[in-house]
Amino acid sequence: DVKVTQSSRYLVKRTGEKVFLECVQDMDHENMFWYRQDPGLGLRLIYFSYDVKMKEKGDIPEGYSVSREKKERFSLILESASTNQTSMYLCASSLYGTIEISGANVLTFGAGSRLTVL
Amino acid sequence: QQPVQSPQAVILREGEDAVINCSSSKALYSVHWYRQKHGEAPVFLMILLKGGEQKGHDKISASFNEKKQQSSLYLTASQLSYSGTYFCGTDLISSGSARQLTFGSGTQLTVLP
Repeated sequence: DVKVTQSSRYLVKRTGEKVFLECVQDMDHENMFWYRQDPGLGLRLIYFSYDVKMKEKGDIPEGYSVSREKKERFSLILESASTNQTSMYLCASSLYGTIEISGANVLTFGAGSRLTVL
Repeated sequence: QQPVQSPQAVILREGEDAVINCSSSKALYSVHWYRQKHGEAPVFLMILLKGGEQKGHDKISASFNEKKQQSSLYLTASQLSYSGTYFCGTDLISSGSARQLTFGSGTQLTVLP
């Protein structure tokens, strides 16, 4: 019954390492999102994608990049990890962004990837 | 810009009621409410569209005042299973075709026996 799968639940990396966080959804959703969750700050949008190979910056894109080569897969890349990127990362997807259809942009979240950068 | 949620935390006894508020400084198209239990993914509760519609789900309901750009989540006769962190997500009218949600910082709700 799992619909949004994040491949790694826990990762520990060193400063300067390149980090890949993978997310796969099996609901044929158009939109995919990466959020970062920190205590007291809620969920902050890093990047989102509304189609294959299309991406848009969210509120905190600095230090991150994304890749969407296939509809079902959305990857978050930390080119050179830093300690301030230690956080919980949540992937989500939604059917599509049409505002005329109620509920089309309801998010389904993955279980999260907790990244620690030492 | 993030919507503002209040209170940040609330502790209840089973059977008590609670209200969680969410306000935005920008015009909203819709408001979403999600609940996240400890160690789990956030789960969608309900969506409220522009028009002041009030929705309900079991003993959890919500309202949306588009003039004030505010939404409130009402939890009636709380159950232990209501414990978790509640997030509101706002969808701005200005988003255009790139629909995205901006979330508040969350309200941690604890229901005690």
